[in-house]
Amino acid sequence: AQSVTQLDSHVSVSEGTPVLLRCNYSSSYSPSLFWYVQHPNKGLQLLLKYTSAATLVKGINGFEAEFKKSETSFHLTKPSAHMSDAAEYFCVVSPSYNTDKLIFGTGTRLQVFP
Amino acid sequence: EAGVVQSPRYKIIEKKQPVAFWCNPISGHNTLYWYRQNLGQGPELLIRYENEEAVDDSQLPKDRFSAERLKGVDSTLKIQPAELGDSAVYLCASSDIRDRPYNEQFFGPGTRLTVL
Repeated sequence: AQSVTQLDSHVSVSEGTPVLLRCNYSSSYSPSLFWYVQHPNKGLQLLLKYTSAATLVKGINGFEAEFKKSETSFHLTKPSAHMSDAAEYFCVVSPSYNTDKLIFGTGTRLQVFP
Repeated sequence: EAGVVQSPRYKIIEKKQPVAFWCNPISGHNTLYWYRQNLGQGPELLIRYENEEAVDDSQLPKDRFSAERLKGVDSTLKIQPAELGDSAVYLCASSDIRDRPYNEQFFGPGTRLTVL
């Protein structure tokens, strides 16, 4: 069985400060891990994915995440938040052999204050 | 290139009424997914198609939900009759099977259903 736990339902930061969105996973199989972003009234967009290659994954818009097997974590970070980063972020897990089966976390809402 | 198109974007109906959602995937994508996203939750897969075949419908409530993808392109998801608990956002996604095993799913904007 697989699952993800997003440790914070809401995160608030000031523009220009670092962003940290936390995610822990559970997987019976070697996992693939993803972060998706959902802006209001828009479709989910893939930010980045880990598929058993490099453990530090760089994504779009300056985001990156590090796969830590020992901690079963895949936290999302960005050095400097921008107002346009305000959105809902989902951590997602799937078996590495079948990324058709995506299991989504409950989401973290990121607010960015000027 | 156009993304995944869904219509309608919003739908309000009374309980016990039928409702249908339509999805047009990205051109050339042979895998199509329908998800349901309840308020404050992540999306959950309802059904997955490869071309015309429903290869995973284990999470589809078959007593009231049905789906079809007759020509392996567009798809329709239907609820009949709708219940109050069906209020949610219904998302369609598509991917290219040739990119497996790491085929990225591209999502449409969703249809927000409100059942009164």
